[in-house]
Amino acid sequence: NAGVMQNPRHLVRRRGQEARLRCSPMKGHSHVYWYRQLPEEGLKFMVYLQKENIIDESGMPKERFSAEFPKEGPSILRIQQVVRGDSAAYFCASSLAGTDTQYFGPGTRLTVL
Amino acid sequence: GEDVEQSLFLSVREGDSSVINCTYTDSSSTYLYWYKQEPGAGLQLLTYIFSNMDMKQDQRLTVLLNKKDKHLSLRIADTQTGDSAIYFCAETGGFKTIFGAGTRLFVKA
Repeated sequence: NAGVMQNPRHLVRRRGQEARLRCSPMKGHSHVYWYRQLPEEGLKFMVYLQKENIIDESGMPKERFSAEFPKEGPSILRIQQVVRGDSAAYFCASSLAGTDTQYFGPGTRLTVL
Repeated sequence: GEDVEQSLFLSVREGDSSVINCTYTDSSSTYLYWYKQEPGAGLQLLTYIFSNMDMKQDQRLTVLLNKKDKHLSLRIADTQTGDSAIYFCAETGGFKTIFGAGTRLFVKA
């Protein structure tokens, strides 16, 4: 039973490029969450999605960031025109419908040059 | 607003007990969690406690919850060098889980 999967594990982008981060939830999980962890800091909530719906995006920056969780396929966190301050670890978590417990993926470490 | 606070560092000797403390503000929290993060890795769910419980024990881990003071602690008995990691406290009262900044546990041999 595979856990939450994220790819790529490491991503390097130059300023101004786009970054696409993918998350496949645990089997049977229909809720996905994205978090950002800056170096030496805790996790900050970004967005909560269910299949084809954004439930809460209160932690997402208003510009350049978007997320989706289509009916088929992984959830995608997209960062357009990346800047150095976007360098961080981005973690995805998933949960079963109707439960609060979240299980985390290994994270994608984004480095912006 | 919701907030979770933890001390940033804890250093113990191998074989001693470690106690990591956490305070939270949301009295409607349903579950409280402890996660472990090793260097370069994701978060591993260690244990959790339902808000109507006072204590939960799982092998070397003991979680204590003081709901009146909104205080949560994680005790690790017989701490080993492999326990060196960052430990995150988290609370949830619904879909949004609020994390503390993490306590870095250093275990000295």
